[in-house]
Amino acid sequence: QLQLQESGPGLVKPSETLSLTCTVSGGSISSRSYFWGWIRQPPGKGLEWIGNIHYSGTPYYTPSLESRVTISIDTSKNQFSLKLYSVTAADTAVYYCASPVRGVRGWFFDLWGRGTLVTVSS
Amino acid sequence: DVQMTQFPSTLSASVGDRVTITCRASQSISTWLAWYQHKPGKAPKLLIYRASSLESGVPSRFSGSGSGTEFTLTISSLQPDDFATYYCQQYNSYSGTFGQGTKVDIK
Repeated sequence: QLQLQESGPGLVKPSETLSLTCTVSGGSISSRSYFWGWIRQPPGKGLEWIGNIHYSGTPYYTPSLESRVTISIDTSKNQFSLKLYSVTAADTAVYYCASPVRGVRGWFFDLWGRGTLVTVSS
Repeated sequence: DVQMTQFPSTLSASVGDRVTITCRASQSISTWLAWYQHKPGKAPKLLIYRASSLESGVPSRFSGSGSGTEFTLTISSLQPDDFATYYCQQYNSYSGTFGQGTKVDIK
């Protein structure tokens, strides 16, 4: 059974880069036409889609974060990663990795990790 | 962006109750809507996609309906395992947006 697990620093300083990795277990990250993605939830706020990546390496980002985000995939390690640059306190959130399923224009998410809290603070 | 409004934000109910959660879209999204269940410290779980399609393994007491701008998630007989927060999400647009969530707690 496929499982996702987020990992990375829980504390990042303002203006620095937030880096998270999602490890896929129970199956190959490239065994079928999987997309892989990231979603976040700031404290007391709603869920926000950050972006997805196809296992071939093609990324898709939400426009509001596109200038500061990179999602990459490492099929040899069965992992995909998120980098968010120049962070501020507004980027404090629980970050989830997830497996997106493509709809007509957007995606829904049929598998999620448990999430990891990242706090941006000096 | 399509705005998703969920209500109520909190719902107190008892085991065995029929529970209905509503999600309203700011513009028509056809049936491109999903529902999730989330418990603290756990991974969110997909319940329903395409407004009314039950995800494999999800109990049949969960059902979804609606199209256009108005959608509902119904739990026909609330079970102890169902106390959680529920989110809707539209995926008609590229940046699919989520509702603010409905917390179902014990009456």
